[in-house]
Amino acid sequence: GQNIDQPTEMTATEGAIVQINCTYQTSGFNGLFWYQQHAGEAPTFLSYNVLDGLEEKGRFSSFLSRSKGYSYLLLKELQMKDSASYLCASMDSNYQLIWGAGTKLIIKP
Amino acid sequence: DAMVIQNPRYQVTQFGKPVTLSCSQTLNHNVMYWYQQKSSQAPKLLFHYYDKDFNNEADTPDNFQSRRPNTSFCFLDIRSPGLGDAAMYLCATSPQGVPTDTQYFGPGTRLTVL
Repeated sequence: GQNIDQPTEMTATEGAIVQINCTYQTSGFNGLFWYQQHAGEAPTFLSYNVLDGLEEKGRFSSFLSRSKGYSYLLLKELQMKDSASYLCASMDSNYQLIWGAGTKLIIKP
Repeated sequence: DAMVIQNPRYQVTQFGKPVTLSCSQTLNHNVMYWYQQKSSQAPKLLFHYYDKDFNNEADTPDNFQSRRPNTSFCFLDIRSPGLGDAAMYLCATSPQGVPTDTQYFGPGTRLTVL
C-alpha cells in the first residue's frame, strides 16, 4: 500500500532550528513535495525534490534520499509565524499526490 | 493577481440537503482538483479534471459529483450530505499536471452539516 509517515507534532523555540522528517512508500515515485498549512487555511507550496540531496531556499531547506524513502524539511532561524502544519506529499507513478497527515509545529518564544 | 477563488468560505447545510461548492481560477491552468480535508488529517483527493477529462478516485462516494463547465470554473456537488461530510473542501489547480507542477490551492470552503 501507499503510506506517508511524519510526526504528529513538534515543538521548537523561536530562533532555533527544527527538522521535520518524512518517510514514504508509494507505487512509483515522481517527486516529494512539502507544503505549509496555517490553521484554517489552504496549503501553500514550500519545496519539491526529485533528485537526492539538499535543496536550500532561504530559511527552509528540503532533503531527499530516494533509496531510503526519506525526506526532511529543515527550518532555520524559527519565527513565530512558522507555527503551522507541514505536510509531506509524495507523487506516485500516476502523478497523484499521496499526502501525509501533517506535522503540527509549535514555536515557543 | 492570478488566483484560485472558492465560494463560499463557510457553508452550513442540513443533513440530506444538497449543497454546491464553487471554485474559479484566473491562472488558466489545465488541471483542477477537489480535496476533502478533515481536522488533523491529510487532504484526500476526490476528483480531478485534466482539461475536460474527468478522473474520479476509486474510493470517492457516489454522493459526491463534480462539474467543470469551462476552464475557469469547477463545482463540487454533494447530493445528500451526511454528518461525516463535514470538512474543509479544497480546490487546487496545476498548469499541466506533470511532476514538476506545483498545485495552487484556494482558501477552502469549510462545510458544516447540521
